[in-house]
Amino acid sequence: KAGVTQTPRYLIKTRGQQVTLSCSPISGHRSVSWYQQTPGQGLQFLFEYFSETQRNKGNFPGRFSGRQFSNSRSEMNVSTLELGDSALYLCASTRTGKNTEAFFGQGTRLTVV
Amino acid sequence: AQKVTQAQTEISVVEKEDVTLDCVYETRDTTYYLFWYKQPPSGELVFLIRRNSFDEQNEISGRYSWNFQKSTSSFNFTITASQVVDSAVYFCALSEATGANNLFFGTGTRLTVIP
Repeated sequence: KAGVTQTPRYLIKTRGQQVTLSCSPISGHRSVSWYQQTPGQGLQFLFEYFSETQRNKGNFPGRFSGRQFSNSRSEMNVSTLELGDSALYLCASTRTGKNTEAFFGQGTRLTVV
Repeated sequence: AQKVTQAQTEISVVEKEDVTLDCVYETRDTTYYLFWYKQPPSGELVFLIRRNSFDEQNEISGRYSWNFQKSTSSFNFTITASQVVDSAVYFCALSEATGANNLFFGTGTRLTVIP
């Protein structure tokens, strides 16, 4: 059974640009959550999508957005990149999303220069 | 408000020693879930265990064991006879039944097992 796949693995962008990250969940999983991991702030919840709808959102500015497609694949977008957006972005999938174990991808490491 | 504290930032042990990683949590919910994840250098978080707030039984899985004590709001993780492959960052996390259904993570403990 394939795990959670995130693409790309590494990305370098310039301040002010925008970026789109992709996540393919485990087959049959309908919930996808995104987390940002930085040395200073640790692991922080960005948002969760379930059946193509954003179900929950963390405390991040509107520059961070996402969506989910009918096949449960999800994308997150960050517009007007700032240096502080440099982080490891992790995607997690669960079958229903309700307090069950989440399976994580290897992440996309974004560097903003 | 919810909070997870992992006071140990880094721990080093010699192979075959036992090691305990501490986790203390705060929540106002009566129904909540506790998790441990392992993050090896490759980056992905590997699920280790999930516990609900009504089940205080300790659990053992091979060399891993978990001690959940509601009285002290702790959910500690012990590795017996540590191995080099156990070297990783370990995260304790909390999710609440009535909340936004996301994981609140501690800051992690970096475990280094020295051969």
